[in-house]
Amino acid sequence: GAGVSQSPRYKVAKRGQDVALRCDPISGHVSLFWYQQALGQGPEFLTYFQNEAQLDKSGLPSDRFFAERPEGSVSTLKIQRTQQEDSAVYLCASSTIPQGVQETQYFGPGTRLLVL
Amino acid sequence: GESVGLHLPTLSVQEGDNSIINCAYSNSASDYFIWYKQESGKGPQFIIDIRSNMDKRQGQRVTVLLNKTVKHLSLQIAATQPGDSAVYFCAEILASGGGNKLTFGTGTQLKVEL
Repeated sequence: GAGVSQSPRYKVAKRGQDVALRCDPISGHVSLFWYQQALGQGPEFLTYFQNEAQLDKSGLPSDRFFAERPEGSVSTLKIQRTQQEDSAVYLCASSTIPQGVQETQYFGPGTRLLVL
Repeated sequence: GESVGLHLPTLSVQEGDNSIINCAYSNSASDYFIWYKQESGKGPQFIIDIRSNMDKRQGQRVTVLLNKTVKHLSLQIAATQPGDSAVYFCAEILASGGGNKLTFGTGTQLKVEL
């Protein structure tokens, strides 16, 4: 079956512009995660959804970052008034079962965001 | 969580040799660990996992060892191939009901020389 897909794969934005990044998780996966990966570093947690409920947003760096998953499948990460420090790869991951039980997370290819 | 540096440690091995990649994790309460492989321009790819009640687990050409006493994890790759060249990350999960978010360690760049 299809894996996690993300779009766009690359995004160039001017500083101050709003961007929206899309994630299509593996069909039927309950849990969805967003991570931010700076160049040369490991991914860092941003936020977590169980179905449509956003249960953890402790990793979002500022109130300019907003994520939603209204129907419990596709998710969108929105960044308002982008800054140069937002330049990174944004990774989406999904897993089959909800919080409280460890399960492998499967990652998408990421969206590489460059803010000029 | 762990601090990560801008310059990844690099391990260079000859094709056919065994590789050992090490990772020190931060939280003694973590109870699930995963190794991911990340190729350039791609997302992390699951390799193998291990739970804290185990100290060794084997997969196809890969073995993960867990030493909880010193909070150390290692990934052994047998008969390393050119396709194994990538950045390898260990990740930990704390079973606190916190959504199973992964905390990644410092990656290691594996280079396989022909």
